[in-house]
Amino acid sequence: EAGVVQSPRYKIIEKKQPVAFWCNPISGHNTLYWYRQNLGQGPELLIRYENEEAVDDSQLPKDRFSAERLKGVDSTLKIQPAELGDSAVYLCASSARPGTVLYEQYFGPGTRLTVT
Amino acid sequence: GQQLNQSPQSMFIQEGEDVSMNCTSSSIFNTWLWYKQDPGEGPVLLIALYKAGELTSNGRLTAQFGITRKDSFLNISASIPSDVGIYFCAGTRGSQGNLIFGKGTKLSVKP
Repeated sequence: EAGVVQSPRYKIIEKKQPVAFWCNPISGHNTLYWYRQNLGQGPELLIRYENEEAVDDSQLPKDRFSAERLKGVDSTLKIQPAELGDSAVYLCASSARPGTVLYEQYFGPGTRLTVT
Repeated sequence: GQQLNQSPQSMFIQEGEDVSMNCTSSSIFNTWLWYKQDPGEGPVLLIALYKAGELTSNGRLTAQFGITRKDSFLNISASIPSDVGIYFCAGTRGSQGNLIFGKGTKLSVKP
């Protein structure tokens, strides 16, 4: 079974430029999460999707961050414009629906973003 | 912000030794999970715990969900070099499944 796929793996941009990250979850997983992981820290949730609906985006900085999951499968996370403090690893995770193993989230390899 | 206190922050051990790390919170958690993260990779799920007092093993790894629901520990027996990495505890507080992570324990193993 293929795991969570993310691209690109690395991205270096100048501040004020836009950037987008893509995620393909594990087949059959309806729930998709985007996390940000700063150096030396654990991941912190940005947004959670149930199918195509964003059910928790309370931690997403909405002035510059946006996300979409149009068909309930792949998802894109965008930052526009990027700031120096956005440098981090952006992780995507997926899990099955409640009643099965909702809490067991499986992570992709992440996208390491460097803003210069 | 994060609500889980994970300790120790780092460990340096000899190959073959046993390892113990723990995670505590001032709040009650409904589930506890333990992940391992290698450099340049995402966290990999090791063990998931769902009930207070639950003790679960996965090979050389054993984890327990504390009776008070405010803590969990992870033990690794007979460590080997490939155990090197950062171990994260994570937990959920509600029914939605949003994970809260600790800051991790960095494990180094000397051959």
